[in-house]
Amino acid sequence: GAVVSQHPSRVICKSGTSVKIECRSLDFQATTMFWYRQFPKQSLMLMATSNEGSKATYEQGVEKDKFLINHASLTLSTLTVTSAHPEDSSFYICSAIYGQGYGYTFGSGTRLTVV
Amino acid sequence: GENVEQHPSTLSVQEGDSAVIKCTYSDSASNYFPWYKQELGKRPQLIIDIRSNVGEKKDQRIAVTLNKTAKHFSLHITETQPEDSAVYFCAASRVGGTALIFGKGTTLSVSS
Repeated sequence: GAVVSQHPSRVICKSGTSVKIECRSLDFQATTMFWYRQFPKQSLMLMATSNEGSKATYEQGVEKDKFLINHASLTLSTLTVTSAHPEDSSFYICSAIYGQGYGYTFGSGTRLTVV
Repeated sequence: GENVEQHPSTLSVQEGDSAVIKCTYSDSASNYFPWYKQELGKRPQLIIDIRSNVGEKKDQRIAVTLNKTAKHFSLHITETQPEDSAVYFCAASRVGGTALIFGKGTTLSVSS
């Protein structure tokens, strides 16, 4: 149980274009989802927290106009990287809380390469 | 906000030895401390966790200890095996809706 499906797993896009990453909770309702970015050989850095039906809360230093997060339903949160640049190339992974609040489940991640 | 420090960044041990990874956290309100193992390009995999009302938890060769007063927690792996080689992350959060904040990770290498 508590599965989060993340798509796409890999995407290559050209500089200046936008890319949308989806995370869908398959067997539970995800009121809250978290988005992380992980550069090679580094840790998972929290980008933002999204709550269903409200605006996302972004961490300091994360541009909200560049990384658009939408959490319009209890089962779907999306991250759109707008006007992508090569420095946005990274591993993006979502996470959701389930159960009584101690359970964190992760998507399988998206490897974004901007060329 | 929460800040989690993790040491060491790399750790090399011989097969059969013990390995210890230590983390400290800054937010005294944090009450959930999981440890993850992550393979390259994959999602983190939970290996053990501890809540703040417990001082120690063990699962076969893996144990986690928590010192709330000092705000640090540690992962102990005994009788290490080559397949334990991986990147390990500690994390901390406040139960109830806050995100996990991760340490910088430890690359464990177990040589046979």
